[in-house]
Amino acid sequence: ETGVTQTPRHLVMGMTNKKSLKCEQHLGHNAMYWYKQSAKKPLELMFVYNFKEQTENNSVPSRFSPECPNSSHLFLHLHTLQPEDSALYLCASSQVSGANVLTFGAGSRLTVL
Amino acid sequence: SQELEQSPQSLIVQEGKNLTINCTSSKTLYGLYWYKQKYGEGLIFLMMLQKGGEEKSHEKITAKLDEKKQQSSLHITASQPSHAGIYLCGADLSGEYGNKLVFGAGTILRVKS
Repeated sequence: ETGVTQTPRHLVMGMTNKKSLKCEQHLGHNAMYWYKQSAKKPLELMFVYNFKEQTENNSVPSRFSPECPNSSHLFLHLHTLQPEDSALYLCASSQVSGANVLTFGAGSRLTVL
Repeated sequence: SQELEQSPQSLIVQEGKNLTINCTSSKTLYGLYWYKQKYGEGLIFLMMLQKGGEEKSHEKITAKLDEKKQQSSLHITASQPSHAGIYLCGADLSGEYGNKLVFGAGTILRVKS
């Protein structure tokens, strides 16, 4: 247990579904991140929130919609996804946004049919 | 090409053998982070290196950042089955406050007992 909890751990959805991934951290961190991990590819940074404000959107398609209601919670809303969006989605947090130690959750494995 | 190149991509070693994983960048590494990942799970932080020539050890794992700060190596002594997993390096390539980490594609380590 790292202190960053992601739910659900596994999700299967059709291309027309709407679903959400949830991330919660109990570390008192102020920055939260969404990463996408696909097979044999480097982790791709998707979004960064710093003190609830989005500070990075790494050219992510609008079918991915993040939400950060407070510094402890981060959501990723999914809508009309494509099969190539199937991946492991990792949430992370850090004390402040930037190049310091990230604490990762266990990930949500998403399969889009 | 990727900003961080890891080598080898995968590695199978006999239990008890030593091994080295490399992480190379074409840019100066302002901070270099090593993480370990069990398949399908989140990343666990291992070590952080910031100064050229710096070396850190934790149990049987040693990481170094070369003097020119463009390459790091991770060395495991007397490997054990518990060392198996995916090793990823992450780096700050700009040194600017608030910068995000970029990651290598990872090295898959299998240890045969």
